[in-house]
Amino acid sequence: EAGVAQSPRYKIIEKRQSVAFWCNPISGHATLYWYQQILGQGPKLLIQFQNNGVVDDSQLPKDRFSAERLKGVDSTLKIQPAKLEDSAVYLCASSPTGPKPTDTQYFGPGTRLTVL
Amino acid sequence: SQQGEEDPQALSIQEGENATMNCSYKTSINNLQWYRQNSGRGLVHLILIRSNEREKHSGRLRVTLDTSKKSSSLLITASRAADTASYFCATVGNQGGKLIFGQGTELSVKP
Repeated sequence: EAGVAQSPRYKIIEKRQSVAFWCNPISGHATLYWYQQILGQGPKLLIQFQNNGVVDDSQLPKDRFSAERLKGVDSTLKIQPAKLEDSAVYLCASSPTGPKPTDTQYFGPGTRLTVL
Repeated sequence: SQQGEEDPQALSIQEGENATMNCSYKTSINNLQWYRQNSGRGLVHLILIRSNEREKHSGRLRVTLDTSKKSSSLLITASRAADTASYFCATVGNQGGKLIFGQGTELSVKP
C-alpha cells in the first residue's frame, strides 16, 4: 500500500511570496489533516477534512493560509503572503475513516519550508 | 496549542539500555498515542492507550497511563541505534480525531 505522498519536499521562498503544498493521501482514506511543525516543537493541527468538507480549521491563520480538498482526495495548502515565522515543516496525514478518536493517522514525509 | 510537556527534552543512552520518556497533559482525553519521528521524516504511529487502560505493550515498547496524574510514560527496552529519533506523545479528546502533540523527546542511542 502506497503511503501519503507530499510535494515538494523542500521549498525556499522570500517573505511576502506565495507557496503551495500538495498532498495525496492513502487511497480510500476519508480524513485528511495538515499539520505545521516548527523546529523543536511538536506538530500543530492546521486543518482537518472529512472527504471534501472541513471538520476543524480553528488553528488555521485564515488571513494568509488556505486549504482545499477537491473531490475528497488530493489536497493543497497555500500560504499567501508568507512570513518569516511560517518557516516550518508542513505535514499531511490521513486516516481511513473518522474522524474518530481511535483512528490511526498515517503521515507523509512533509514539506520543509524556509522563508527568507 | 501544545497539550503538555515531555520530559526529558533530550536523552542519550548506550545500546542495550532502557529509555524512559514521560508526557504530561492538561485536559481529559479519550486516548493517548506515541509517535516516532526520524530526522527529516514524517511521524510513525507506535502505540495507542485508551483512557480506561493503565498499561500496554507492543514488542519492546511499554506504555503506562495515569489519568489521575494526567501523565504517561513510554519505555523502550533493550534500545538499539535504530531507535534514535524524536518521540512525541499526542492526546485525543472525545470528539473527532484531532491529535494534540507534546514538545517531544529527542533520543540518541549510541552503539
